[in-house]
Amino acid sequence: GENVEQHPSTLSVQEGDSAVIKCTYSDSASNYFPWYKQELGKRPQLIIDIRSNVGEKKDQRIAVTLNKTAKHFSLHITETQPEDSAVYFCAASGVNTSGTYKYIFGTGTRLKVLA
Amino acid sequence: NAGVMQNPRHLVRRRGQEARLRCSPMKGHSHVYWYRQLPEEGLKFMVYLQKENIIDESGMPKERFSAEFPKEGPSILRIQQVVRGDSAAYFCASSPLGAGTEAFFGQGTRLTVV
Repeated sequence: GENVEQHPSTLSVQEGDSAVIKCTYSDSASNYFPWYKQELGKRPQLIIDIRSNVGEKKDQRIAVTLNKTAKHFSLHITETQPEDSAVYFCAASGVNTSGTYKYIFGTGTRLKVLA
Repeated sequence: NAGVMQNPRHLVRRRGQEARLRCSPMKGHSHVYWYRQLPEEGLKFMVYLQKENIIDESGMPKERFSAEFPKEGPSILRIQQVVRGDSAAYFCASSPLGAGTEAFFGQGTRLTVV
């Protein structure tokens, strides 16, 4: 079945450094790749997304890259701040082989930004 | 435009009771997804519904769990005869056009089975 792998599971960086989280997906029909940030005890919130017709998208300190051939996509956070500390989830969605839609999430990365 | 609303936020049930979790999607959204999250773990897909239709329930246990999204009213995730292992946070998300569009999450319902 469809699968999304996410690495690393935990990541600690010094404030001001960059953080990179990587995901790979299995379903070649996937065409939409959102990233969510979940703070402790709160709902996941969309922070950036990318569609399959582009290779990179940037929003201030956050960027996402997509390699459709290799079926992997990455989240890049530059100049990290303590408030970036949270769990980050990647997801892949599109029409799958069964003709249905769903969002499949990675297992999450717990990012800690050390002051 | 209110966001995705879930209620209750916290639900305590004794083993063997029924749990009903409600999700009202954002206005204009006709696609609802339910996910389960155990502490310190990821979001596990359970079921995807459109109005009056279950599109994909491959992630939902065949027994004791059911979901609906009626023409009027919220989507309901129903768990019958709850067991301690059902304790988790249950999140729903809604989107306007299904996969390929932004999905927004509700605050979640934290179910505790005692």
